[in-house]
Amino acid sequence: AQSVTQLGSHVSVSEGALVLLRCNYSSSVPPYLFWYVQYPNQGLQLLLKYTSAATLVKGINGFEAEFKKSETSFHLTKPSAHMSDAAEYFCAVSDTDKLIFGTGTRLQVFP
Amino acid sequence: GAVVSQHPSRVICKSGTSVKIECRSLDFQATTMFWYRQFPKQSLMLMATSNEGSKATYEQGVEKDKFLINHASLTLSTLTVTSAHPEDSSFYICSATIGGKKNIQYFGAGTRLSVL
Repeated sequence: AQSVTQLGSHVSVSEGALVLLRCNYSSSVPPYLFWYVQYPNQGLQLLLKYTSAATLVKGINGFEAEFKKSETSFHLTKPSAHMSDAAEYFCAVSDTDKLIFGTGTRLQVFP
Repeated sequence: GAVVSQHPSRVICKSGTSVKIECRSLDFQATTMFWYRQFPKQSLMLMATSNEGSKATYEQGVEKDKFLINHASLTLSTLTVTSAHPEDSSFYICSATIGGKKNIQYFGAGTRLSVL
């Protein structure tokens, strides 16, 4: 069975600082991996996805993630945090016909 | 493109009543729609997978008679919470896929259900 683990339920950074949100996956087959962002009382918006092409994936809003098979990781990064990045972030892995979500990481950005 | 509309965004109802939530794909035909439930500060839990013209497939532990799903057309799926109780209060989110790519899902904005 596939699963994802997000280390750290809360991450706080200062505006302009590096953002690093961690995600490790477990999969018996080459995985499809996703990062979604959720703003309060809203649905999920796709930030980026890895589908076995380039290991460094660039997404929207300046985010990117690197697929590292040796570390079974797919961490999300952004060089410089903005106040508008404050939200809940979910990592997900694709099963054959469904998405399996991590428990989420709440990102806080301080001025 | 690939816009999913969910209605209503918020609903408050009395215990014992039924509530219907609609999920529409506005600019594409959705062969498959998913219904999720999200408790406060928790992740999304898949409730059921809905395919147009066939019965929904429910995840283990989800009461199919409690959460009725109808996928009558390629652009509309509905979730009806029957005889709602306070413990059904939650955030319900739908998603839709295009064609056979079930791992590429487009999400609605969610419905906050509060049962008094």
